[in-house]
Amino acid sequence: DAKTTQPPSMDCAEGRAANLPCNHSTISGNEYVYWYRQIHSQGPQYIIHGLKNNETNEMASLIITEDRKSSTLILPHATLRDTAVYYCIVRYQGGSEKLVFGKGTKLTVNP
Amino acid sequence: DSGVTQTPKHLITATGQRVTLRCSPRSGDLSVYWYQQSLDQGLQFLIQYYNGEERAKGNILERFSAQQFPDLHSELNLSSLELGDSALYFCASSPHPGLTTDTQYFGPGTRLTVL
Repeated sequence: DAKTTQPPSMDCAEGRAANLPCNHSTISGNEYVYWYRQIHSQGPQYIIHGLKNNETNEMASLIITEDRKSSTLILPHATLRDTAVYYCIVRYQGGSEKLVFGKGTKLTVNP
Repeated sequence: DSGVTQTPKHLITATGQRVTLRCSPRSGDLSVYWYQQSLDQGLQFLIQYYNGEERAKGNILERFSAQQFPDLHSELNLSSLELGDSALYFCASSPHPGLTTDTQYFGPGTRLTVL
């Protein structure tokens, strides 16, 4: 599985967009980018995933650069409940199905 | 609510003891995964089952074992417990591992404290 690099922590004001970056410079063509988050000690929560096109769902948007070496998770209007650790994970579809979690980014949304 | 249930929520036991953690996957999901989260190691994959069969193994200790039953629920057995086994244990499930759009959904976890 390709390795990912995320900043250890970020802050965001409530109501503003939170943009969480992730570098995955060694990603290969058939590897997907997945985002999960973990609020306090709850179970990780799936957010979104993508291969090369930008993706949007009710929770967030995922922007993947054209060379696929980095991506950004966007929470359009962050709330206090979005305070969590966000994990960017690269997965090879068809290979190992386990998720390999790094240290993630601790996002703190401030009032 | 992910639809994955885990029991118990909390477990406190002594060194040397044996415990069983239980997981019920989302309705229709055939694959179950177990992960361990400790303070120093982060979230780590332990083992995966698919439709009753072991499918993949991670850094699972020999003192730990798991199984998936015909009704698809899974149990993780931890024996000869040590202080270092204190951790959060998460179960996840997914419907079709290996497919392009397969996604794992996690349960709320079991917090194990070994005294």
